[in-house]
Amino acid sequence: NAGVTQTPKFQVLKTGQSMTLQCAQDMNHEYMSWYRQDPGMGLRLIHYSVGAGITDQGEVPNGYNVSRSTTEDFPLRLLSAAPSQTSVYFCASSPRGGRGTDTQYFGPGTRLTVL
Amino acid sequence: AQSVSQHNHHVILSEAASLELGCNYSYGGTVNLFWYVQYPGQHLQLLLKYFSGDPLVKGIKGFEAEFIKSKFSFNLRKPSVQWSDTAEYFCAVNKGAGNKLTFGGGTRVLVKP
Repeated sequence: NAGVTQTPKFQVLKTGQSMTLQCAQDMNHEYMSWYRQDPGMGLRLIHYSVGAGITDQGEVPNGYNVSRSTTEDFPLRLLSAAPSQTSVYFCASSPRGGRGTDTQYFGPGTRLTVL
Repeated sequence: AQSVSQHNHHVILSEAASLELGCNYSYGGTVNLFWYVQYPGQHLQLLLKYFSGDPLVKGIKGFEAEFIKSKFSFNLRKPSVQWSDTAEYFCAVNKGAGNKLTFGGGTRVLVKP
C-alpha cells in the first residue's frame, strides 16, 4: 500500500490564483481530512469527510473547498489564494468515520507559498 | 471551544537524559488522546493513544504517556532519549465518537549527541 499520497510537494502561487491540492489513499478508509500546519499553532482542521459524498467544515474552512466523489480521493481547492494561506497542508485518513479511537494516517504534506 | 496546550515549545537535552512533555486539554467530556511525532523531513506518525483502560499507555520507541483525568493532562515521557528522538511532538484530542482532532502547538525536541 502507498498509504496517503499528496501532490504536489511544493507549490508557489500568486495572490488570486486558484489551485487544487490532491490527496489519495489506497486503504479503503472512510474518513479523510485536511489540516494546515503553521509554526506554533500545531495542525488545524480545514475540512473533513466521513465517506464518499459527505463533507463538512473544520476549524478553519474559509477560502477552501472540498469534494469527495470517491472513497480514495479528497482534493482541497483554494478558490483565490491569499498570503495568509501560506502553510504546509496535510491530508489524513482513518478507517472509519465516527470512530474517534482510530489512528489517523498522514500524507507527506504540500508546502504552499502564496506571494 | 476545545483547546490543547503544550507548555514547552522547544526542548534541548543530551542523549540519555529523561524527557517529559506536557499536554493539557480543556474539554470536560469523554476524550481520546494521542501523541503524534514528526521526524525531520517525514510525515506525522502515531506514537501512542489512549481511549480507555489503564491510564498509563506505552507506545513505540520506548515512549509512554499518563492520562490524569483530574488534571486534564496527558504527558509524554521517555526515560532515556537518543539522538534519533529529535523531532516535533504533537498532542491531539478528540471527543468520544468523532474523528476531528484538535492539536496542540507542538514541541520541538533537539537531542544533542
